[in-house]
Amino acid sequence: GAVVSQHPSRVICKSGTSVKIECRSLDFQATTMFWYRQFPKQSLMLMATSNEGSKATYEQGVEKDKFLINHASLTLSTLTVTSAHPEDSSFYICSAWGTDSSYEQYFGPGTRLTVT
Amino acid sequence: KQEVTQIPAALSVPEGENLVLNCSFTDSAIYNLQWFRQDPGKGLTSLLLIQSSQREQTSGRLNASLDKSSGRSTLYIAASQPGDSATYLCAVKSVKEYGNKLVFGAGTILRVKS
Repeated sequence: GAVVSQHPSRVICKSGTSVKIECRSLDFQATTMFWYRQFPKQSLMLMATSNEGSKATYEQGVEKDKFLINHASLTLSTLTVTSAHPEDSSFYICSAWGTDSSYEQYFGPGTRLTVT
Repeated sequence: KQEVTQIPAALSVPEGENLVLNCSFTDSAIYNLQWFRQDPGKGLTSLLLIQSSQREQTSGRLNASLDKSSGRSTLYIAASQPGDSATYLCAVKSVKEYGNKLVFGAGTILRVKS
């Protein structure tokens, strides 16, 4: 199946700094990518849908100025957490929509963000 | 708005037992349903994908069924093993959700005791 990678897998940053997370589709082109957030012992919460070449669509309650999403190519989307605070500490997972007709979504391995 | 519910929330079984995880969804207008496995601190591993026109899918000891009209899916795990211990998530790709996004259930935490 299709492979989605994320980098970094873990990041620790100080409060007030910004962190960028990359999501790449390795062997397919992804016109649409999704960014999820997962708190401990909870399910995935969709943050935003990222479409190549256009602005991301954010879910209700997600601050677009805090979570900047860029989908500049068909294989790369980035999520930047700006002015991070401890409450932003979470597990961030991206997924990409395959270009075949199955409508299957492929998920990355996730990025653990810890803000101190 | 599509809602996905998984029952039970947690399950503990002895090794070797066959088990069933349940997933229900409120809107039958779906493209597909996926079952995922998530180990602690890890990402999601796709187990089975059932298209809306299909009734079931099988992979090894796993069998997933879909009854779209009643809004239900089950994941059957045969001869469970300690390595099956994980959280199992059900998700539907809903036709009516903007952007065809996946809607997830809260998951079932499975523990298989040796």
